Amino acid sequence: RKEVEQDPGPFNVPEGATVAFNCTYSNSASQSFFWYRQDCRKEPKLLMSVYSSGNEDGRFTAQLNRASQYISLLIRDSKLSDSATYLCVGYGGATNKLIFGTGTLLAVQP
Amino acid sequence: GAGVSQSPSNKVTEKGKDVELRCDPISGHTALYWYRQSLGQGLEFLIYFQGNSAPDKSGLPSDRFSAERTGGSVSTLTIQRTQQEDSAVYLCASSLDLTPAAGYTFGSGTRLTVV
Repeated sequence: RKEVEQDPGPFNVPEGATVAFNCTYSNSASQSFFWYRQDCRKEPKLLMSVYSSGNEDGRFTAQLNRASQYISLLIRDSKLSDSATYLCVGYGGATNKLIFGTGTLLAVQP
Repeated sequence: GAGVSQSPSNKVTEKGKDVELRCDPISGHTALYWYRQSLGQGLEFLIYFQGNSAPDKSGLPSDRFSAERTGGSVSTLTIQRTQQEDSAVYLCASSLDLTPAAGYTFGSGTRLTVV
């Protein structure tokens, strides 16, 4: 079982839609979580950190549920420019490195 | 520099040859990581360096892979006797330390093709 698992998608949604991505992690000792965004043939870039209390950045909301070992990302009012692969990332436990999920592909349609 | 710099951006090599990939991290970042990403796959951890500590080499796939970091700054990833399955994008990242409150900053990667 992979340490961080995501639905690969693709998620095809119309502009303006709300879309949610989910991610599960297996290492209960993981300390921190992030969402990264990766555009086609580009490097991953940090989108936002994920906190148990939930955090919001504009149209993006991230949530962590430690009891269920579950992380989510909600995108409201989708834009064409949101089309990318979204990577769920965990950190900590016995390791000192980020562990990446394989990513969820989002395609926002006009 | 302002970001993580990697070179070359693209490398095509013949099977069996050795290659060297270079990473220049953000100035002042003590932690440096190498990952690789194969087509349609997630990022696979290879190795990290943190200050003067011994590197964590636990992700290197075989003894054909090695890396060094000189003077706490520039790092070189070397792949000896390349195989076709080594074809991937090799990504370098750096962070201020090993507790990535701000995440890692990645370079744009080296796309390695072994023919």
